[in-house]
Amino acid sequence: DTAVSQTPKYLVTQMGNDKSIKCEQNLGHDTMYWYKQDSKKFLKIMFSYNNKELIINETVPNRFSPKSPDKAHLNLHINSLELGDSAVYFCASSLDSYTEAFFGQGTRLTVV
Amino acid sequence: EDQVTQSPEALRLQEGESSSLNCSYTVSGLRGLFWYRQDPGKGPEFLFTLYSAGEEKEKERLKATLTKKESFLHITAPKPEDSATYLCAVPGAGSYQLTFGKGTKLSVIP
Repeated sequence: DTAVSQTPKYLVTQMGNDKSIKCEQNLGHDTMYWYKQDSKKFLKIMFSYNNKELIINETVPNRFSPKSPDKAHLNLHINSLELGDSAVYFCASSLDSYTEAFFGQGTRLTVV
Repeated sequence: EDQVTQSPEALRLQEGESSSLNCSYTVSGLRGLFWYRQDPGKGPEFLFTLYSAGEEKEKERLKATLTKKESFLHITAPKPEDSATYLCAVPGAGSYQLTFGKGTKLSVIP
């Protein structure tokens, strides 16, 4: 049983397209996250959701929008994709803000 | 602003050669420090949580320790399968996020 699963694992798309990445966790956690890992492998927070409410939204372009249909799911929708959006995107979840987060396997997004 | 700095950026060890990785942090009130392991093409895998200075946690060949300013991940007699990038992170004060360091890429040569 995968604790945090995200799909797809690989996504290749053209500039200007709109795409979504799905994430589901079966850990019963209250908080879910989206992180971006750039080419230098640096992990940076994009969004956090706690009990279906957006808690923080770092300086992320508004082309990115998280959507949480329920506590176990946090999807990431990206409009008008740009070359610079190419990266690995990780979904994660934790019990609360001060406990360890568990990560999905990542989605490698390549914009061409 | 919370800051996490890891050193060295990369470390090559011979199999069996013990060493330590460093994670120094600047946070307004430490609420825990987490160590993760990341293999190529995979998500970070949780290893340890440390909450207070003096605390130690062990798992197989790994031991994590914590002081008021830094944490160390000690690797004793490493094996090639310990090769990975090791990340440390701290929770942000009052916000739902982890601030990560840039990681130490460990290579263990047979």
